[in-house]
This record gives sequence, structure tokens and C-alpha cells, in this order.
Amino acid sequence: DAKTTQPTSMDCAEGRAANLPCNHSTISGNEYVYWYRQIHSQGPQYIIHGLKNNETNEMASLIITEDRKSSTLILPHATLRDTAVYYCIVRAYTGNQFYFGTGTSLTVIP
Amino acid sequence: GAVVSQHPSWVICKSGTSVKIECRSLDFQATTMFWYRQFPKQSLMLMATSNEGSKATYEQGVEKDKFLINHASLTLSTLTVTSAHPEDSSFYICSALAQGGREAFFGQGTRLTVV
Repeated sequence: DAKTTQPTSMDCAEGRAANLPCNHSTISGNEYVYWYRQIHSQGPQYIIHGLKNNETNEMASLIITEDRKSSTLILPHATLRDTAVYYCIVRAYTGNQFYFGTGTSLTVIP
Repeated sequence: GAVVSQHPSWVICKSGTSVKIECRSLDFQATTMFWYRQFPKQSLMLMATSNEGSKATYEQGVEKDKFLINHASLTLSTLTVTSAHPEDSSFYICSALAQGGREAFFGQGTRLTVV
């Protein structure tokens, strides 16, 4: 599986947009980009995934660059409950495994 | 999203005993389930992948005889930690994937403490 690189930690002011970057320069053409988050001592929560087009759902937006070597997860209006570790994962649809990297610890500040 | 339930949420056991953790998909059929282990301040480490009715596939370095996985039905997988030792104390998390599904859904995790 392609590796991902994320900043170790980020802060965001409550009510502002949180933009979490992810580099996946070795991503293959059949690999999707997934985002999960883990709030302390809980199981990860699915956020969003995409292949090459930008995606939006009720939780977040996913912006994937045209060359697909990087992506950004956007939480449009961060709240204190969005404080969590955010994981960016690349995975081939036909491959089953989800391998987690180190993730980004996002702290939303009041 | 779909619901995956783990039981128990936490367990304390004596060294040398075995512990079974259950993972259930409550509102979908999970053809594939994954088991992870997470130590404090670390990321999730994939231990094994199980497909319903087949033997689990273990990641390199994971002892299959120590971590027994059974995926006997489309809604239930179990992880048994045999002859547990204090170094097995960890947060164990399962996730489930429906056939043709693209998102894996995770249980709430089981905190195992071996004393």
C-alpha cells in the first residue's frame, strides 16, 4: 500500500475551517484516499473517501489534487467535538486492508 | 453509518488465562472483518484479516496461535487472546466491511488489561 505523510499535530480555532493535509505521492491509479478520525479511547470513525474527484458529505469535504499526490480534508466549521486524531489512508478498492499511519492530532481551540 | 459492536468494552484478566472479544455487525453482513491493536499514543496496527468461513490472514509478526480469530458468520467475528501476559495489555479494535462495500466501520474497542 502507498504510504501517507501527515503533519503530527495542528490547532484550529472553533468555528473556523480546519484544513488537514495529506501527502500520498506514490498512490496508484486504483487506490482511493480515505479519511478516518479517532476520538480518544474510541474506535475510528469513517469520514469520507474519494478517488480523483472532490467529495463532500455532511461531515467534511475532500479535495484531491489533479495529480492525486496529495489531498486535503476540510472540516468547514470546526467544533470542540472535532478534536481527534485524523488518519489519511490510501487503499485499493480491490484490496481489503486499511493500514493506518501516524495521523494528525487536531486540537480545536475555544 | 453502519454499526459495529464490540464486547466487552473493557476486561481485566489474570496472566495465563484466555480472553475472548466479540465483534458484531449489527445492521449489515460483514464478509470481511479486521482486528487491530493499539498501544498508548500509537496508531492502530492491523493484526489480521478474516473472511467469513475462511481462515484468518495474519500480518507479519502476529502470532496466529496466540491470537485466535474465528469468523463463523456474516455478523460475528471473535478474537481470543490465549495465555495472556501483561505485554498483551492493549486496546483491541475490530472493523467490518460489507461485500462490495468501500468503507470499513469500526467497533468501539476493547481495553484489555492483563495483571
